[in-house]
Amino acid sequence: GIQVEQSPPDLILQEGANSTLRCNFSDSVNNLQWFHQNPWGQLINLFYIPSGTKQNGRLSATTVATERYSLLYISSSQTTDSGVYFCAVEDSNYQLIWGAGTKLIIKP
Amino acid sequence: GAVVSQHPSRVICKSGTSVKIECRSLDFQATTMFWYRQFPKQSLMLMATSNEGSKATYEQGVEKDKFLINHASLTLSTLTVTSAHPEDSSFYICSARPHYRDSIMNTEAFFGQGTRLTVV
Repeated sequence: GIQVEQSPPDLILQEGANSTLRCNFSDSVNNLQWFHQNPWGQLINLFYIPSGTKQNGRLSATTVATERYSLLYISSSQTTDSGVYFCAVEDSNYQLIWGAGTKLIIKP
Repeated sequence: GAVVSQHPSRVICKSGTSVKIECRSLDFQATTMFWYRQFPKQSLMLMATSNEGSKATYEQGVEKDKFLINHASLTLSTLTVTSAHPEDSSFYICSARPHYRDSIMNTEAFFGQGTRLTVV
């Protein structure tokens, strides 16, 4: 089956810094989503991005489907950005395959 | 985006009792819903796919008699943890995806708030 790898596994930054999170996947996928899991466990949809580039405020994402990777950019980090960021791709059976996540800690 | 509501958000139960968790799609119909389990510091693990009007499809290794799933309407799926034991303590999350032309392919997944189950 499809393998999804996220990097880095952990990231600690000072408030105001920028960051790039990466998601590699091993095969063609139907779609790709980025999520932020907050400290209470809620999964928040960030981007539905099977290809191309999208921006939402300080966050943006780019998926290059032909090269099987996606990038999530966070600019001017805030402490509320802390949490775990997951990438998930849809396989041919319409199921989501999850990466292991990137744990982001933003220090004030 | 679409809204999926899950409750309770937190439950503590005694060993041997059963616990029911509800998952509702509030502003769309979902013939298919998904139940996940998440262990501390790990990613989500799919437990089962809930299908409205038919039996759920369980992933390998998930006991269907332990985790009963009912999807009685287009907006509600329930997960019942039967005869709960401490090892069933975990974070359970449901998900639903709107349909497009009778398929969930290429549709965005939305998640409930999650339920933290503690069995004592």
